[in-house]
Amino acid sequence: QLQLQESGPGLVKPSETLSLTCTVSGDSISSSSYYWGWIRQPPGKGLEWIGNIYYSGRTYYNSSLKSRLTISVDSSKNQFSVKLTSVTAADTAVYYCARGGATVTRPLGYWGQGTLVIVSS
Amino acid sequence: QSVVTQPPSVSGAPGQRVTIPCTGSSSNIGAGYDVHWYQQLPGTAPKLLIYGNNNRPSGVPDRFSGSKSGTSASLAITGLQAEDEADYYCQSYDSLSGSTVFGTGTKVTVL
Repeated sequence: QLQLQESGPGLVKPSETLSLTCTVSGDSISSSSYYWGWIRQPPGKGLEWIGNIYYSGRTYYNSSLKSRLTISVDSSKNQFSVKLTSVTAADTAVYYCARGGATVTRPLGYWGQGTLVIVSS
Repeated sequence: QSVVTQPPSVSGAPGQRVTIPCTGSSSNIGAGYDVHWYQQLPGTAPKLLIYGNNNRPSGVPDRFSGSKSGTSASLAITGLQAEDEADYYCQSYDSLSGSTVFGTGTKVTVL
């Protein structure tokens, strides 16, 4: 059964870099033709798509975050990661990783449980 | 600010039918891109409820159904139950921004 688990610091200082990793079990990132994505949800607010990475390594980013965002894959560890630089309080959110389908128009069928990241000094 | 909008809340009595509209534009829903729906119970991750406009994943009760027409889509819940109290989000793809887009979300309250 496919499972995704987010991990990383729960507290990040303003202006620093937020780094999270999603560990995938039950499927191989490099051998499956799916895209893997990051989504976030500020406390009490709605879902915001952050970006996707395909098994090929091709990335798609939310234009509002693009200048600060990097999503990458580590196939050897069956993980994918997100880095967001120069964070502010507005980046405080629950961050979810998820698996999509073969194309970006397909749904996000599997989600991690989410991890709360607070940006504060 | 999302390009796909939903009403902040809808409510209904147990057993009633409620619908949640999801309004987009010609660059997303109106362009023919599929709409998917997610249910988010309090304190949990979103769960896929409807995919490809009107398809239910295995295990989702047939009380939930989806439809799409023009630049809008809709989620219907018939025979509303207390356990359906949750936030619901639609999702599609927007060709103008090249982005996955989520609706603004709707909280369903069972009276």
